[in-house]
Amino acid sequence: QTVVTQEPSLTVSPGGTVTLTCASSTGEVTSGYYPNWFQQKPGQAPRALIYSTNNKHSWTPAHFSGSLLGGKAALTLSGVQPEDEADYYCLLYHGGARLFGGGTKLTVL
Amino acid sequence: DVQLVASGGGLVQPGGSLRLSCAASTFTFSSSEMNWVRQAPGKGLEWVSYISASGLTTYYADSVKGRFTISRDNAKNSLFLRMDNLRAEDTGIYYCAIRFDHWGQGTLVTVSS
Repeated sequence: QTVVTQEPSLTVSPGGTVTLTCASSTGEVTSGYYPNWFQQKPGQAPRALIYSTNNKHSWTPAHFSGSLLGGKAALTLSGVQPEDEADYYCLLYHGGARLFGGGTKLTVL
Repeated sequence: DVQLVASGGGLVQPGGSLRLSCAASTFTFSSSEMNWVRQAPGKGLEWVSYISASGLTTYYADSVKGRFTISRDNAKNSLFLRMDNLRAEDTGIYYCAIRFDHWGQGTLVTVSS
């Protein structure tokens, strides 16, 4: 059974930079896995941030970016703001299946 | 502005059935792939099912295969999820999403005796 793994939690200072990663138990994550990233705040539905590795939606804040890094998908937040504190989920396509990672709880402190 | 409104959730006994609906207020619905995603209380997101724009192709998570059926009515801009033989672990908020770009607010399903 394929598992998608994220850091359970990360802490970053306001104004700092942080990178969240997303790994697959099947091996290297490539663009063919169409990595997606989502932000979810308490009591809210998820909000899409990044699709197909590094593409932003029209509503995605400029300081969010997606990439491939060391065999994983990555989401980098540059110049972190207090309102970025949230849970972040990645999604990978494995053939017909779509698999979410367990999520990263990002604390801005 | 794209709006998705999910409905049909509620309390059901183990082994029971429910049919979720998702109404989309976008003229692009008939050309959009759709997904159902769920979230158990206090847990992460779990992809449940996918359906192509035409409805001819569907995929399911292993955890629901054989019990859930996804369908759509493009004439009515509606997406459905028929859930049979429900289990306690199916409890959670069920979200519908256009691709994974636009999400509704979800509907709560509780499976309990």
